[in-house]
Amino acid sequence: GAVVSQHPSWVICKSGTSVKIECRSLDFQATTMFWYRQFPKQSLMLMATSNEGSKATYEQGVEKDKFLINHASLTLSTLTVTSAHPEDSSFYICSARGQDNGYTFGSGTRLTVV
Amino acid sequence: ELKVEQNPLFLSMQEGKNYTIYCNYSTTSDRLYWYRQDPGKSLESLFVLLSNGAVKQEGRLMASLDTKARLSTLHITAAVHDLSATYFCAVTSWDMRFGAGTRLTVKP
Repeated sequence: GAVVSQHPSWVICKSGTSVKIECRSLDFQATTMFWYRQFPKQSLMLMATSNEGSKATYEQGVEKDKFLINHASLTLSTLTVTSAHPEDSSFYICSARGQDNGYTFGSGTRLTVV
Repeated sequence: ELKVEQNPLFLSMQEGKNYTIYCNYSTTSDRLYWYRQDPGKSLESLFVLLSNGAVKQEGRLMASLDTKARLSTLHITAAVHDLSATYFCAVTSWDMRFGAGTRLTVKP
């Protein structure tokens, strides 16, 4: 079946630094990539949607200059959290939509900012 | 904007009994999904429902879809401890939106 590899699975960084999270579709082409954030005991909240080669579309309230999304190829999308602060600590999950309109989720990245 | 309402948010179940989780959504959608999430993990796909009247079953879980009522249910038959997890419904149109989740615990 379709697989999305997400790395790293967890990361601890110092406040003010940047962190990059990578999602790669291993055996299919991801026409669209979705990035979600999940705070403890809450649901998944959509942060942004990106199509290969286009600028990402951000949800209301999500700072595009803070959460940089790059979707340079049909198999790779990255989310960079810039100048991270403790309130950015969360579980980040990507989801890739293939040409069959199926959705495949990455394994998630737990970000802790200290 | 597509909105998804899920209830109950918490469900404490007794082993062997039956329960239902409800998922309502606000506008016409392509597909409805049910996922399971264990603590600290990503999502595990349970069901994809594509059309009105669709019913799918896997073990003790059965999901159904009524597109006219914009309602899906996840029915749990004879609950067992290993079903303890958080269950999400999600609906797709242009993107995928999630319900709030139902935190399910099974007690002996």
